[in-house]
Amino acid sequence: AQTVTQSQPEMSVQEAETVTLSCTYDTSESDYYLFWYKQPPSRQMILVIRQEAYKQQNATENRFSVNFQKAAKSFSLKISDSQLGDAAMYFCAYTGAGNMLTFGGGTRLMVKP
Amino acid sequence: GAGVSQSPSNKVTEKGKDVELRCDPISGHTALYWYRQSLGQGLEFLIYFQGNSAPDKSGLPSDRFSAERTGGSVSTLTIQRTQQEDSAVYLCASSSGTSGLNEQFFGPGTRLTVL
Repeated sequence: AQTVTQSQPEMSVQEAETVTLSCTYDTSESDYYLFWYKQPPSRQMILVIRQEAYKQQNATENRFSVNFQKAAKSFSLKISDSQLGDAAMYFCAYTGAGNMLTFGGGTRLMVKP
Repeated sequence: GAGVSQSPSNKVTEKGKDVELRCDPISGHTALYWYRQSLGQGLEFLIYFQGNSAPDKSGLPSDRFSAERTGGSVSTLTIQRTQQEDSAVYLCASSSGTSGLNEQFFGPGTRLTVL
């Protein structure tokens, strides 16, 4: 079975600074996808960024980028120029042949003005 | 266009009662997923439907939980004889396919409280 681990229950960042959220996963599958989802207090999960395991290039979406280390099974999220609206729970997630998402425990990100 | 909608937004029930939670996926999406988010267990997969195929029920925690999807669209998650440990936010998601390339779009969830 696949597992996803987020070792940081809470993180804090100053507005306009950069923060990195950590995620590790375990799988025996060779074909899979990794995701970072944001969940604000409204509860609506929003996809932030996606990485295909077969791609060596790290995914980027505006201020969000990942550091995908396949051999180490590591998938961290970097948020640059943090904004107050980035404050939320962030979940790392995995999907492979099973199609459903397996989530990590989440990291609560606080942004200080 | 409209996103995934869920109803009710909040549901309070007494232990032992049955509840039904509804999910309206994005029109045209063939895949529909139910997840549960609780303090103790985090976010966990419950069940998913893909087109006319038999649903994958591998995440359902007990036989008190069941779900159906009528006409390939609306889905209802039913919890019979609710227990306090069923208290959680139930999230529904839909996608245009089941590959990881197909983004899962989530609804706002139903918060279930079992007294």
